[in-house]
Order: sequence, then C-alpha cells, then structure tokens
Amino acid sequence: GQNIDQPTEMTATEGAIVQINCTYQTSGFNGLFWYQQHAGEAPTFLSYNVLDGLEEKGRFSSFLSRSKGYSYLLLKELQMKDSASYLCASRYNNNDMRFGAGTRLTVKP
Amino acid sequence: DSGVTQTPKHLITATGQRVTLRCSPRSGDLSVYWYQQSLDQGLQFLIQYYNGEERAKGNILERFSAQQFPDLHSELNLSSLELGDSALYFCASSVGGGLSGESPLHFGNGTRLTVT
Repeated sequence: GQNIDQPTEMTATEGAIVQINCTYQTSGFNGLFWYQQHAGEAPTFLSYNVLDGLEEKGRFSSFLSRSKGYSYLLLKELQMKDSASYLCASRYNNNDMRFGAGTRLTVKP
Repeated sequence: DSGVTQTPKHLITATGQRVTLRCSPRSGDLSVYWYQQSLDQGLQFLIQYYNGEERAKGNILERFSAQQFPDLHSELNLSSLELGDSALYFCASSVGGGLSGESPLHFGNGTRLTVT
C-alpha cells in the first residue's frame, strides 16, 4: 500500500514554531506535497519536495528525506489564521497522489 | 480562487438514487482527479483522468464511475447511493499527467453530498 502517516492533532502558541511530521511508503515515490485545508474548504498547495533537503517559502518550510520516507512541514511565527488541517501527500510512479488523514493544528493566543 | 469549478455546491438526495457531479479544470490543465472526503477523514483518491483517458484508479467503488470529455471537463457519477456515500467530493486539476515534476493539484471548492 501507500500509507501516509501524520499526527492527528497538534497545538501550538501564537508566535511559536511547530513541526508537523509525515512518513510515507518509499516504493515508487515521485514527490511530496503539503497542503493546507481550513474546515469545509478546499485544500490549497503549500510546498513540494522531490529531492532531499529543505525548501523554504516565507514562514513555511518543508523537508524531505527520501531514504527514510520522511518529511516535515515547519511553520514559524505562528498566527491564529494558521489554525487548519495540514495534509501530507505523496505522488507515486503509478501516477496517483495519496493524502494522509491530515494534522489538525490549533494555534492558541 | 483556484480556477477549478465544481457544480453543484450542495446535493441532497435519497438512498438508491443516482447523481452526477461536474468539474471544470483550470484553463490549460489536462489532468483531473476526484477525491472523497468524509467527515473528519482524509482525502480518499478515487480516480484520475489525463487528456480524456483514465490514468490512475484508487479506492473507487463499482457503483461510481467517471469520465473526462474532449473539452477536459469531468463528471463523477454515483449510483445506488447509500448513507455512507455522504461526503465532500473534491475535484482537482493539474497541468501534467503526474508522472514527474512539480505539478501540484489545484482543488475546486467541492460538492457536499448528503444522502438521506
């Protein structure tokens, strides 16, 4: 299968840093995506990794280790509006994109 | 606005019925993906089309079918509906077929299906 595992829920404080981890099946792997989804809304694209290392985009960064089947999304200087679900998704050579169940992040004042 | 249009936004129907969900991809996107998201659940991949042809299949029930038309819009048909089919159905599109490259999915706002 192509299981993707990420924590169900996380809580952090406004202004802090939070790291959301994701593990995935490596067989046939062809790219790792992170999406943000507010309740009842469409997921929106945040980041993409296909090579090992860190990709930085403003307050958000994403890291990938292909050999370990591991990625994380790092959110800095948390804001209340960052409260949302964060979805890890991996693309495979059979051309489908599989999503994890999402990590529900709550940012508290 | 992602540029992906889904209709209708809401659909309420009875068990045993059949419905059709429609999706227009972003201009220039050749791939269309369908996902099902039940309450507090992750996105379940159903099926993908690329330029009119089926490219990948996920956990799609036999009661469900889809197609992509020459103008690239797609329809998802759900038949013999059951209570458990109540969910948000998302359509997403991307430029490429997904075999390689940074080609993120752009999601529509979804169709909320309620089966009573």
